[in-house]
Amino acid sequence: QLQLQESGPGLVKPSETLSLTCTVSGGSITSSGYYWGWIRQPPGKGLEYIGSIYYGGSPYYNPSLKSRVTISVDTSKNQFSLRLSSVTAADTAVYFCASRTSGTWGLWGQGTLVTVSS
Amino acid sequence: DIQMTQSPSTLSASVGDRVTITCRASESISSWLAWYQQKPGKAPKLLIYKASSLESGVPSRFSGSGSGTEFTLTISSLQPDDFATYYCQQYKSYYTFGQGTKLDIK
Repeated sequence: QLQLQESGPGLVKPSETLSLTCTVSGGSITSSGYYWGWIRQPPGKGLEYIGSIYYGGSPYYNPSLKSRVTISVDTSKNQFSLRLSSVTAADTAVYFCASRTSGTWGLWGQGTLVTVSS
Repeated sequence: DIQMTQSPSTLSASVGDRVTITCRASESISSWLAWYQQKPGKAPKLLIYKASSLESGVPSRFSGSGSGTEFTLTISSLQPDDFATYYCQQYKSYYTFGQGTKLDIK
């Protein structure tokens, strides 16, 4: 059974870079047809797609975040990662990693809260 | 950007009620629409994809319909476990979500 687990710092200072990792277990990150993505949710608010990647392909980013986002895959660790640069308080959110098979996000990690504060 | 608008924002209902949530897209998305259920402190759970296809393991009291710009999620007979927030999401052009509909107990 495929499972996803986010990890990373829960507190990031303004102007610094947020870095999170999603570990895939119960399957391979190189599995055919699987896309891997990041979605976030500010406290008490709705969901926002950040970006996604397919093993061996180019990442796709939400145009509103594109200049600050990098998503990559580490096949040796069966992980994919998110980096968001120049963060502000507006980037405070629960960050979810997710996998896509039937066209949309069918499996999610539990989420991790990242707070941007000095 | 394709904007998604849900109505109502909040909905109060009782166990056994039939409820419908509407989602409108700012342009046609064909059937590239999903519905999610989210409970406090939890990740969203996929219920419906491609507008009307039920995700494996989801109870049959959930159903989706629509195409183009107008979509609905219907719960035929509310159960206590169904009180949650529901989101629609289009995936015709990357992914955008509706603002959510909170379903609470009347």
